[in-house]
Amino acid sequence: DVVLTQSPLSLPVTVGQPASISCRSSQSLSHGDGGTFLHWFQQRPGQSPRRLIYMVSNRDSGVPDRFSGSGSGTDFTLKINRVEAEDVGVYYCMQTTHWPGTFGQGTKVEIK
Amino acid sequence: EVLLVDSGGGLVQPGGSLRLSCASSGFTFSDFWMTWVRQAPGKGLEWVASINPDGSVQFYVDSVRGRFTISRDNGEKSLFLQMHSLTIEDTADYFCAKGEWGDNWGQGTPVTVSS
Repeated sequence: DVVLTQSPLSLPVTVGQPASISCRSSQSLSHGDGGTFLHWFQQRPGQSPRRLIYMVSNRDSGVPDRFSGSGSGTDFTLKINRVEAEDVGVYYCMQTTHWPGTFGQGTKVEIK
Repeated sequence: EVLLVDSGGGLVQPGGSLRLSCASSGFTFSDFWMTWVRQAPGKGLEWVASINPDGSVQFYVDSVRGRFTISRDNGEKSLFLQMHSLTIEDTADYFCAKGEWGDNWGQGTPVTVSS
């Protein structure tokens, strides 16, 4: 199975400052059809996960534009331009290029 | 608005069985893959199983293959997860999700396997 390794696992951030989460894959996530199926999810405390970004860099409807995704091959990044208090939670990357789908361990974002 | 409502969780003894359900609305259920994901207490997310739109293709994570069965009723717009031979390691919140990529998620239903 593909292993996704996130870093850091804990990310204390000051409101208004940027934040960045890395997701590295044990295999290339580039599919034969040209797509790269790496997605990002946010899970706020006590809530279900919510997808923020699909296929590396496409923001889901209703997701603030301070969230952005980038990367290719085996290295991917989620960036929060200016962290707000409501961004507290755990962030997961997920790949669906290879079956079975797998998640990273999660990165806990908290406010300093 | 897409809505997914998970149900059927509960307390079950090791070796027991449970059937989870996910009722959907707000989208054309029969057009989409559907997925079950679980989260053990205090842990991360684990993809469990996915099923294609007409129900003819299913994929499972190794740890549940042969014990769990994912199915769907497109007429009722519902997704199911039949779980047999449950072990303590299956204790988790179970979420249904629209699509293979987790477009939208249910609220989750808790499964506790304990004697």
